[in-house]
Amino acid sequence: DAGITQSPRHKVTETGTPVTLRCHQTENHRYMYWYRQDPGHGLRLIHYSYGVKDTDKGEVSDGYSVSRSKTEDFLLTLESATSSQTSVYFCAISDPNSGVHEQYFGPGTRLTVT
Amino acid sequence: DQQVKQNSPSLSVQEGRISILNCDYTNSMFDYFLWYKKYPAEGPTFLISISSIKDKNEDGRFTVFLNKSAKHLSLHIVPSQPGDSAVYFCAAGSGNTGKLIFGQGTTLQVKP
Repeated sequence: DAGITQSPRHKVTETGTPVTLRCHQTENHRYMYWYRQDPGHGLRLIHYSYGVKDTDKGEVSDGYSVSRSKTEDFLLTLESATSSQTSVYFCAISDPNSGVHEQYFGPGTRLTVT
Repeated sequence: DQQVKQNSPSLSVQEGRISILNCDYTNSMFDYFLWYKKYPAEGPTFLISISSIKDKNEDGRFTVFLNKSAKHLSLHIVPSQPGDSAVYFCAAGSGNTGKLIFGQGTTLQVKP
């Protein structure tokens, strides 16, 4: 299994509070991604990163920001959490330059915004 | 618009029989496709992939078929086992962006 951890694994927070989710990898892969999984929608890309300090928006980026100051860490921040951001969040890594396109996923963080 | 669609939310199959999961896409620029399997409370795990230049790829009990003219791919699991019960996602990508577009998922139940 790829070395990907996510923290916290579960979090309950109140509407309007800031939340930061952390993804940590030990595979030295350049590319990292944040997804959310919701019933009926599958996995939707929030933000991704091509390298340190190099990030871009995905299809559902509103209300989220990311930072990547080190190769191994990719942080997802909800500046002011809303109930619509209640979801399961997955981090993934890949190394497309190796010719391999598969992404490897972390175990997920279940976030509940009350 | 959903570029990758899995129109069957669920599928139930008897152990030992074939499971066929389907996926349709709209973007002809996709040049690789992947299938992922997901158990509850775990992250998705990669199963099998196929390049757009091929029409079939096989790995053990899993075979993926690609029909580019119909913009359709399918995953065949033969024989199905109870441990295959999970949610299956198809995904598509292009170039070296690494970005994948996922379908909504199909829940497979394999009955003993």
